[in-house]
Amino acid sequence: EIVLTQSPGTLSLSPGERATLSCRASQSVSSSYLAWYQHKPGQAPRLLIYGTSSRATGIPDRFSGSGSGTDFTLTISRLEPEDFAVYYCQQYGSSPLTFGGGTKVEIK
Amino acid sequence: QVQLVQSGAEVKKPGASVKVSCKTSGYTFTGYYMHWVRQAPGQGLEWMGRINPNNGDTNYAQKFQGRVTMTRDTSISTAYMELSSLRSDDTAMYYCVPSGTTYYFDYWGQGTLVTVSS
Repeated sequence: EIVLTQSPGTLSLSPGERATLSCRASQSVSSSYLAWYQHKPGQAPRLLIYGTSSRATGIPDRFSGSGSGTDFTLTISRLEPEDFAVYYCQQYGSSPLTFGGGTKVEIK
Repeated sequence: QVQLVQSGAEVKKPGASVKVSCKTSGYTFTGYYMHWVRQAPGQGLEWMGRINPNNGDTNYAQKFQGRVTMTRDTSISTAYMELSSLRSDDTAMYYCVPSGTTYYFDYWGQGTLVTVSS
């Protein structure tokens, strides 16, 4: 099973700042099958990025993903008020599918 | 548009079983896998397994082997997830999520809260 470790656990930033979220895998993620989700309380998770760097439909270009192998990054170039949420990475290159423990982006 | 409507919240006693339904519309039910993902309070997301609605083939996470059963009724485009021998740590929000042949999740059900309490 691929274990995904996200860091930091919590990121305290102000609107307009840049957010950099890390997702490290215990072994290489096959075919860069790595996705990112945004999750807000009382809502279902929302797909942001798939295939490491492809934005899902309707996702603003301030969200970008990068990485390969075992190290992946989600970057939010300028935080908007609606971006404060919990973010999860997910690998889907091998079974079982696994998620990281999440990074909470909170308002400083 | 894709819609996934899950059954309502459930309260169960330890040792009981729960069956959650996910009625779909807006896409070809048999053309996409259906996965189940859960989130316990204060915890992260956890993949439970998936079913191929076209032929009923299933793949369960080892953690849930022997306790989970995923089925479907193609006549009404509905998927089901049954979890047995419930424990308090099965208290969670359960989501149905369809996918294509690559298992990332564009669309999510609204979630079904299952509470296990004596």
